[in-house]
Amino acid sequence: DGGITQSPKYLFRKEGQNVTLSCEQNLNHDAMYWYRQDPGQGLRLIYYSQIVNDFQKGDIAEGYSVSREKKESFPLTVTSAQKNPTAFYLCASSMYPMNTEAFFGQGTRLTVV
Amino acid sequence: DAKTTQPNSMESNEEEPVHLPCNHSTISGTDYIHWYRQLPSQGPEYVIHGLTSNVNNRMASLAIAEDRKSSTLILHRATLRDAAVYYCILRDLGPSNTGKLIFGQGTTLQVKP
Repeated sequence: DGGITQSPKYLFRKEGQNVTLSCEQNLNHDAMYWYRQDPGQGLRLIYYSQIVNDFQKGDIAEGYSVSREKKESFPLTVTSAQKNPTAFYLCASSMYPMNTEAFFGQGTRLTVV
Repeated sequence: DAKTTQPNSMESNEEEPVHLPCNHSTISGTDYIHWYRQLPSQGPEYVIHGLTSNVNNRMASLAIAEDRKSSTLILHRATLRDAAVYYCILRDLGPSNTGKLIFGQGTTLQVKP
């Protein structure tokens, strides 16, 4: 089945450690996106990529980094510079530049202790 | 990025129609109107999208005002499974063509049996 997969579903890390969240899609989509969601809030855009080897900052990129070496993969690293990393992280993908629906993964809940 | 305004919450009775409003007074000519919904601890799910004309699919209908400054998502017969947060989003596919989905706070829909 085609889809977008995020792993792991739950992740615990100690403060000061970098952590990488995985996002893989087999939908042959060009564009991929990372969002952060805090309790009771909407989604905020962290980074997005429209094509392999290219990506742009979203509204809250500070403390995060990404790479897009393969079309299928768009990993997000939460660095120690991110002051409040505990959140629900969502990855999405869509065709680009066509106006079609975006598909979301099931999310990774990151807790930093 | 153009913004949307939605009521924080709405209630409906099961098997009755639901009309979820959205205002987007600063919409540009190249912004598409997208609707997504999200259940707790899950990724958002695509519902419907449109540009100028009203749209129907198996999940819902989208009514777009003639001046495009507002739209309404219509669930024809609400079920308990329709209880979710509904997001109205403007997707930029104009010259800058980022394809970004910028989320607001959404409307929390409660469905009473």
